[in-house]
Amino acid sequence: SQQGEEDPQALSIQEGENATMNCSYKTSINNLQWYRQNSGRGLVHLILIRSNEREKHSGRLRVTLDTSKKSSSLLITASRAADTASYFCATDARIQGAQKLVFGQGTRLTINP
Amino acid sequence: KAGVTQTPRYLIKTRGQQVTLSCSPISGHRSVSWYQQTPGQGLQFLFEYFSETQRNKGNFPGRFSGRQFSNSRSEMNVSTLELGDSALYLCASSRTSGGLTFTDTQYFGPGTRLTVL
Repeated sequence: SQQGEEDPQALSIQEGENATMNCSYKTSINNLQWYRQNSGRGLVHLILIRSNEREKHSGRLRVTLDTSKKSSSLLITASRAADTASYFCATDARIQGAQKLVFGQGTRLTINP
Repeated sequence: KAGVTQTPRYLIKTRGQQVTLSCSPISGHRSVSWYQQTPGQGLQFLFEYFSETQRNKGNFPGRFSGRQFSNSRSEMNVSTLELGDSALYLCASSRTSGGLTFTDTQYFGPGTRLTVL
């Protein structure tokens, strides 16, 4: 089963609204990262939050991390049409003896003009 | 600074054939990781190379192999292709190894879309 799972799987909102995506994971982690992927293309790194951090901001992005609940959220404020993409969380964890960056299934975000 | 490049961008092969994909990391980056992305399984880690050595490996069969050259360029090879190998293959580079922890930002290439018929 996936180490990271995003929720919701799909989200559709109006331009200007805020979008919140959640990520849950199973094992202890060193850090958690969020990536964006435009349709069928490579991933773009958005933000990295370390396990000892609780919140991080970058422009219109706000990421929180709750290690006790093994969950993270990504908030995009004042959404724009260009934010339409899939968003993935990735956890840096040691699984079966190997250090891996494990991605969730992603949230497909659609911003309607 | 040029980004991560992957060649070819698209590839069509038939079952049983083998394929080699190439990845050129950002200049100065010594770590290259490979991922497979499919609609069913999502993004899955294949392996990571750092300084020509495989540092980490995901749960893929031995048909999937890779190597890294002294200039940090990396190749991934898949032998005896199966229909299920159809996927977008992404490589990512970073300055340091994910050996103990992936603390560095990973920069992804555009991917190679492999179709196996």
